[in-house]
Order: sequence, then structure tokens, then C-alpha cells
Amino acid sequence: QAVVTQETSLTVSPGGTVILTCGSTTGPVTSGHYPYWFQQRPGQAPRTLIYNASNKHPWTPARFSGSLLGGKAALTLSGAQPEDEADYYCMLSYSGARPRVFGTGTKVTVL
Amino acid sequence: QVQLVESGGGLVKPGGSLTLSCVASGFTFTDYYMSWIRQAPGKGLEWVSYISDSGRTKYYEDSVKGRFIISRDNAKNSVYLQMNSLRVEDTAVYYCMSHGNDYWGQGTLVTVAS
Repeated sequence: QAVVTQETSLTVSPGGTVILTCGSTTGPVTSGHYPYWFQQRPGQAPRTLIYNASNKHPWTPARFSGSLLGGKAALTLSGAQPEDEADYYCMLSYSGARPRVFGTGTKVTVL
Repeated sequence: QVQLVESGGGLVKPGGSLTLSCVASGFTFTDYYMSWIRQAPGKGLEWVSYISDSGRTKYYEDSVKGRFIISRDNAKNSVYLQMNSLRVEDTAVYYCMSHGNDYWGQGTLVTVAS
């Protein structure tokens, strides 16, 4: 049974850059896992930032970008803003009976 | 504008049942798969179930298999989650999400307690 791993917490300075990663215990993350990234601010519902590893929605701020990096999915935040302080979750797709698995989530602090 | 509105949450005793609803508007509902995702208090997101656009394909997380049933009514732009044999560990905010355009609802809280 796949487990999707993320950093527990990361801190970034205002205006700085931080990279969040998303790994799979089954092996390298590829485009075939259709990686998603979600942001959840305190007290709010999640919203989708990135789909299929690197695609953005119209509401995704330009400072967020997604990629595949070293066998993991990655979310890069360049030019962090106070409003980016949130929990970030990735989600991977798998074949078989358990087709969607969320990562454990990363708490990003802008400080 | 696009909206997903969940309802049906509440307090239920262990072993009880509850049916959640999610009504979609602002997009062509029949074009999209739909998921239910939950979040226990203070915990991360957990995918629960999804249903294909036609309703013919359904998947469930192992912990809810045999207890929860997902369904949809495309004429009503709605997706449902029938939850039976509820356990304390099913306590969570339940969100619906549309796949493809990737919208989320605001969630509905289900509390299972005696």
C-alpha cells in the first residue's frame, strides 16, 4: 500500500523561495502519478494549485510552480507572501483499487 | 460562478447512518468525476471515494469499503455519500471535489459520538 511522503514543516522568509517535495514509497514519482498540489489556509477548505505535476489553474498565483525533481513531485514557492502560510498537500494517482492517495502535508510558515 | 455545496453532516451515534449531499453549479456536472475527501480534526486530508462521470465506476478507501456508498444524480447535479455503520474514527469534515476543473466545496462536519 503506497504511502505519499512530504516534509512535516518548512519555514521561508518573506520574499524567499521554498521547495516542497512529494515522494512515494512505491518508487519514483512520475507524470503517470498525475501529481496534484493543494493549499489549505487555516480554517478554510483546500484549493487546488497544481495539477498533472506542473499545470496551473487560473487562480494559481504565478509564484507557485510545480515540477518533477529527483524522483519526486515538487512545489516551488518563489517570493513567499504572508498569505502563503498554510498547509500544502500533494496527491498522487495509482492504478488499482486505491487510486488516489494524499500526502501527509507540509506546514509552511512565512517568517 | 462554480459552486459545490455539501450538506447532511451532523452528530450521529456509533453504528448509525448518515447521507451527505453535494450540489454542483456553474459547470457541466456530467463532464466530471467527483470525489469525497475527509479531514479528521487536526489531521490531514484523506481521499474517501470517487465516482466516474457516468456513475458506472466507483472506488473506495479500504477503511470505508463495505460501509460507504457513493452515488450521483446527474439530473440534479448532485453526488451523495451514504455512510453506514459509522465509527468514531469517521469523525471529520467531508469535502466534495470535482476532478478536472478541481473545485472544492466548503465541507460538512460529521461527528460520530455516543
